[in-house]
Amino acid sequence: LAKTTQPISMDSYEGQEVNITCSHNNIATNDYITWYQQFPSQGPRFIIQGYKTKVTNEVASLFIPADRKSSTLSLPRVSLSDTAVYYCLVGSPDTGRRALTFGSGTRLQVQP
Amino acid sequence: DADVTQTPRNRITKTGKRIMLECSQTKGHDRMYWYRQDPGLGLRLIYYSFDVKDINKGEISDGYSVSRQAQAKFSLSLESAIPNQTALYFCATSRGLNTGELFFGEGSRLTVL
Repeated sequence: LAKTTQPISMDSYEGQEVNITCSHNNIATNDYITWYQQFPSQGPRFIIQGYKTKVTNEVASLFIPADRKSSTLSLPRVSLSDTAVYYCLVGSPDTGRRALTFGSGTRLQVQP
Repeated sequence: DADVTQTPRNRITKTGKRIMLECSQTKGHDRMYWYRQDPGLGLRLIYYSFDVKDINKGEISDGYSVSRQAQAKFSLSLESAIPNQTALYFCATSRGLNTGELFFGEGSRLTVL
């Protein structure tokens, strides 16, 4: 399984752009990169997924450099409701028995 | 109604008791997972199942067992609960292609006294 490393915590203010980087040096060729958001006492919620370059949806963008050894989740103009833990997850189309393991995540605190 | 439903949502029990946490899903996914989360920590994988006849241990399976009764149902059992199994437990599902998109239930909070 590809191991991921993220900052433990980040602070920001409302209206700012937040970038959270995840390192995954041993990512495999077929691995996808997925980000989740978790609020206290709730299950994680899918935010965005990508394989290479850039992916954008209505809530975030995901930037993946050519070597794919890291990825950056970008949250534009955060609000207080974006305060949560963000997890980076690396997984692949199944070529055998694989399962997905979460790291410790990044705790984002958005201040007024 | 939630696509992934866990019962009970909250449970308080005593050391040594047998506890079962149940998960059912209406998403039609083949793959189901049980995770555990301790306060301030990430999720750790307990067991996972890729189909009804396929059960696999995760990182922390000791003290737990599972049963995949049907495609839609995956139960987690604590045969003899102990206090350090006090945690928030999540069930999740995914499609057959293991690309990383998991769908989580709302969690079951278990307290073992």
